[in-house]
Amino acid sequence: GQQVMQIPQYQHVQEGEDFTTYCNSSTTLSNIQWYKQRPGGHPVFLIQLVKSGEVKKQKRLTFQFGEAKKNSSLHITATQTTDVGTYFCAGEAIYNQGGKLIFGQGTELSVKP
Amino acid sequence: DTGVSQDPRHKITKRGQNVTFRCDPISEHNRLYWYRQTLGQGPEFLTYFQNEAQLEKSRLLSDRFSAERPKGSFSTLEIQRTEQGDSAMYLCASSSDSYSGANVLTFGAGSRLTVL
Repeated sequence: GQQVMQIPQYQHVQEGEDFTTYCNSSTTLSNIQWYKQRPGGHPVFLIQLVKSGEVKKQKRLTFQFGEAKKNSSLHITATQTTDVGTYFCAGEAIYNQGGKLIFGQGTELSVKP
Repeated sequence: DTGVSQDPRHKITKRGQNVTFRCDPISEHNRLYWYRQTLGQGPEFLTYFQNEAQLEKSRLLSDRFSAERPKGSFSTLEIQRTEQGDSAMYLCASSSDSYSGANVLTFGAGSRLTVL
């Protein structure tokens, strides 16, 4: 079945350093979504990418969707303590469009002030 | 409150007991999802509904798990004869149809189950 993998599992950075998490799907995706879960909270939607090669920015966050629509990345420039949390990618298989979202295992980001 | 509501927020039960969780989605959302999350893992898909129809159920889900959405509004997830391995956060999420077919999920705060 469809699998979504993320690396790294953990990332510890000093405040001001950059952070990147990578997401790979075993199947071609119709779209990929990113969610953030703060400690003790629930996943909250950040962004959705639909087009091959798409790049979107949200302030210090840059999201990319691969040309083959099987991988994605999230890059945070100059991390702040408010960025702490676990970042999940979630993909919808192209053969199951409109169906279930499969989540990666997440990358937990900690930021040392 | 116009978000996704889940009840109860916490449930402690003894092994072998049955438990039921309720989810009230955003009212205009016709899709409802159940996920399970354990510590350090991503949400694991359990099942989803479009209106009252259960369209998919994970093969990982044993026969002890059942979900309903009788009138296409709220949903219940029941676990029969609970086991210690069922201890997890049970997350409900809802979404609406979009022209692109892409679902953006709004999650509830979850129901944390502890099986002793």
